[in-house]
Amino acid sequence: EVQLLESGGALVQPGGSLKLSCEASGFTFSSHGMSWVRQAPGEGLEWVSTILNNAATYYTDSVKGRFTISRDNSRNVLSLQMNSLRAEDTAVYFCARDKYGSEDSWGQGTLVTVSS
Amino acid sequence: AIAMTQSPSSVSASTGDRVTITCRASHDISSLLAWYQQKPGKAPELLIFQTSFLQSGVPSRFSGSGSGTDYALTISYLQSEDFATYYCQQYVSYPRTFGQGTKVEV
Repeated sequence: EVQLLESGGALVQPGGSLKLSCEASGFTFSSHGMSWVRQAPGEGLEWVSTILNNAATYYTDSVKGRFTISRDNSRNVLSLQMNSLRAEDTAVYFCARDKYGSEDSWGQGTLVTVSS
Repeated sequence: AIAMTQSPSSVSASTGDRVTITCRASHDISSLLAWYQQKPGKAPELLIFQTSFLQSGVPSRFSGSGSGTDYALTISYLQSEDFATYYCQQYVSYPRTFGQGTKVEV
């Protein structure tokens, strides 16, 4: 059974940094692309970033230069380093497994709140 | 970025109804479209990928269609567990983009 477990969400001040992690199990992690998708309170889904199995990375424009996605295939962990956080980054962040572009398995999410 | 426009934003329906949600892309997305279902407080779940392929375990009352810029999700016989919010997503190019969501409610 595919399992994705996010951690690292917290309350952080504007301009601060945070690192999210996603521990994966139940599948061959190194063979799959992985993504982060976020959802602001009461809002819809927003794709944030994807890292493919060849380590190529992609970002939505609003986080480019501030967020860095990475993966550790030896530990089956996906990460998202978030710097220069803004109020508009407040959201639940979901980790998801990539299936040729769609996201076929999701974690339960971790809440990031950016506020002073 | 490719913009995805869903309609309606909400629909009132009853169990047994047939419900259709549409999604229009601002550019041809070559059928690289997925549909997700999300219930309150839960993670989204993949229903359909590549326009019309049902994800494993998804009931056959869900179906998808479309091509080019226009796509649709149909629930042929609404069940109580289908009351939720539905999102389309294109993945032909980055940034991947979602529609704004359609809430199916009583």
